[in-house]
Amino acid sequence: QQQVKQSPQSLIVQKGGISIINCAYENTAFDYFPWYQQFPGKGPALLIAIRPDVSEKKEGRFTISFNKSAKQFSLHIMDSQPGDSATYFCAASGGSGGSNYKLTFGKGTLLTVNP
Amino acid sequence: GAVVSQHPSWVICKSGTSVKIECRSLDFQATTMFWYRQFPKQSLMLMATSNEGSKATYEQGVEKDKFLINHASLTLSTLTVTSAHPEDSSFYICSASPRAGETQYFGPGTRLLVL
Repeated sequence: QQQVKQSPQSLIVQKGGISIINCAYENTAFDYFPWYQQFPGKGPALLIAIRPDVSEKKEGRFTISFNKSAKQFSLHIMDSQPGDSATYFCAASGGSGGSNYKLTFGKGTLLTVNP
Repeated sequence: GAVVSQHPSWVICKSGTSVKIECRSLDFQATTMFWYRQFPKQSLMLMATSNEGSKATYEQGVEKDKFLINHASLTLSTLTVTSAHPEDSSFYICSASPRAGETQYFGPGTRLLVL
């Protein structure tokens, strides 16, 4: 089964610090890598996404770094705030039709930002 | 933009009854919709993919006679849990994409409790 491995499982960061979550994938056909944020009892919300033609994408305090050769990508949250406390999921898909557009999710990272 | 709604947000039913959950894309037409199940503190598990006007494609291990999916229009997909049992209690989340291979936008989820 195609997998996306996410780490760490949980992360505690102080307010103002940098939160870093890492993901690694196996399938070289993956060409779309989104990150989702989920609060308890809510559906996941798209945070930011990247395709392999760029190595980094930044939107506000959120940055994705992508390393195609290592088959790894990571989410950096700068100036972390208590309101960022949530579960974060990385995902990947082939994006080329058929069954390849299904998202394969990591297991999630529970982020806690202490005030 | 890209808003997906679900109804109801939570439902409690007796064992043996059927429950229908609706998923609507409010501001775009969704050629593809997905249904997920999520257990507490776990990742999302894809149950099935539905394309407007055609039969849903179920993931391995998902009983298609128990989880009936209908994608009758470009803005509406429904999931019916037939003859629900306590083990079907879970958080059900739908997502929608404007086109196959594009970003999935998630609904807020439906919590089902079967007594």
